[in-house]
Amino acid sequence: DARVTQTPRHKVTEMGQEVTMRCQPILGHNTVFWYRQTMMQGLELLAYFRNRAPLDDSGMPKDRFSAEMPDATLATLKIQPSEPRDSAVYFCASGSDTTYEQYFGPGTRLTVT
Amino acid sequence: AQSVTQLDSQVPVFEEAPVELRCNYSSSVSVYLFWYVQYPNQGLQLLLKYLSGSTLVKGINGFEAEFNKSQTSFHLRKPSVHISDTAEYFCAVLNTGFQKLVFGTGTRLLVSP
Repeated sequence: DARVTQTPRHKVTEMGQEVTMRCQPILGHNTVFWYRQTMMQGLELLAYFRNRAPLDDSGMPKDRFSAEMPDATLATLKIQPSEPRDSAVYFCASGSDTTYEQYFGPGTRLTVT
Repeated sequence: AQSVTQLDSQVPVFEEAPVELRCNYSSSVSVYLFWYVQYPNQGLQLLLKYLSGSTLVKGINGFEAEFNKSQTSFHLRKPSVHISDTAEYFCAVLNTGFQKLVFGTGTRLLVSP
């Protein structure tokens, strides 16, 4: 049963530290998405890739967030420096641009103190 | 730009009763529509989708939804709910020209004995 995997599942860090979240998309999927979920804002799209190329990162705070796909099996989301307002659950999803379905990972729960 | 409205933030229902979760969307172009479910501490899981064809779409776990273009709605229904259906349900719209999903704010379904 193919699944999107995310590491770490939980991360507690202090303000100002760098945070790196990793995602392994489902093999064969050509689109990858990063979302952030909070009680106040709900689900927000941060960035997405098609065939490893970044297509849209307009939802991402540019000064501190960066997203990359160094290869087809790994997507990363970095926050540097982290701030308490970044505390949220970050989801990675992968999909196909022919079926339009997205498959979500279990999320990384980030707490910045 | 597309938007999705889920008017009910919470829907309480008794076990074995029918349920309808409402979703309305706005868009000036053709759209694809989705329902996702999120169980506690998990990622989102696709319930069903409408791309074209029959306006009545059947999904997993006994759920179905009906696309109504004139009313710009895509309501989710289940004739008899179980305790295990307690979760957050998200309606989402995707512009046919893009891959970006726009999510509603979610409806929490609470099933009690």
